[in-house]
Amino acid sequence: GNSVTQMEGPVTLSEEAFLTINCTYTATGYPSLFWYVQYPGEGLQLLLKATKADDKGSNKGFEATYRKETTSFHLEKGSVQVSDSAVYFCALSPFNTGGFKTIFGAGTRLFVKA
Amino acid sequence: DTEVTQTPKHLVMGMTNKKSLKCEQHMGHRAMYWYKQKAKKPPELMFVYSYEKLSINESVPSRFSPECPNSSLLNLHLHALQPEDSALYLCASSQPGGGAGEQFFGPGTRLTVL
Repeated sequence: GNSVTQMEGPVTLSEEAFLTINCTYTATGYPSLFWYVQYPGEGLQLLLKATKADDKGSNKGFEATYRKETTSFHLEKGSVQVSDSAVYFCALSPFNTGGFKTIFGAGTRLFVKA
Repeated sequence: DTEVTQTPKHLVMGMTNKKSLKCEQHMGHRAMYWYKQKAKKPPELMFVYSYEKLSINESVPSRFSPECPNSSLLNLHLHALQPEDSALYLCASSQPGGGAGEQFFGPGTRLTVL
């Protein structure tokens, strides 16, 4: 079946540190891959996406590359800010399902200290 | 307009009450979703409407009753809820078969059942 595994948190970093949140997936075919972010007290926001192997999604200084060979989609940012403190969800949309069934990882909480 | 709105923001209800959650989007999306999110967990899919017809019901108890009056509106009618139904209820929308399957989320309704 389809599944997403992401590193457990919380992750605590100092401002301007480098961020990596690992995400691996299991799926048949070529799913679309996403990172969603949830700030405290809010709903989820799409952070970035990738639809095929070797695609790089990027937004607000965050990047993730669709690696088919390692079934991974790790999230990176070169210099985090306090305002990046949130919960990050890796997710996939299985191939040929019309996008209705998004599979979410467990979420990784990030704390950034000033 | 790229926003999904939800009302109310907070709701407290007793186990014998009847209440409704409302969701609205004006992005022209023809798929709308209800999710339930417990603290420190990813969202769990409850219902999907596609072109105003119920496409997916993830075996949700009948005390939750969805309704899609038109392509922009989605309601969730609540009756005889249990305390364990207390959670954040998220609405989302997407374009069926379009894009990568990304979904756009509202801010959620925080429901407390006493």
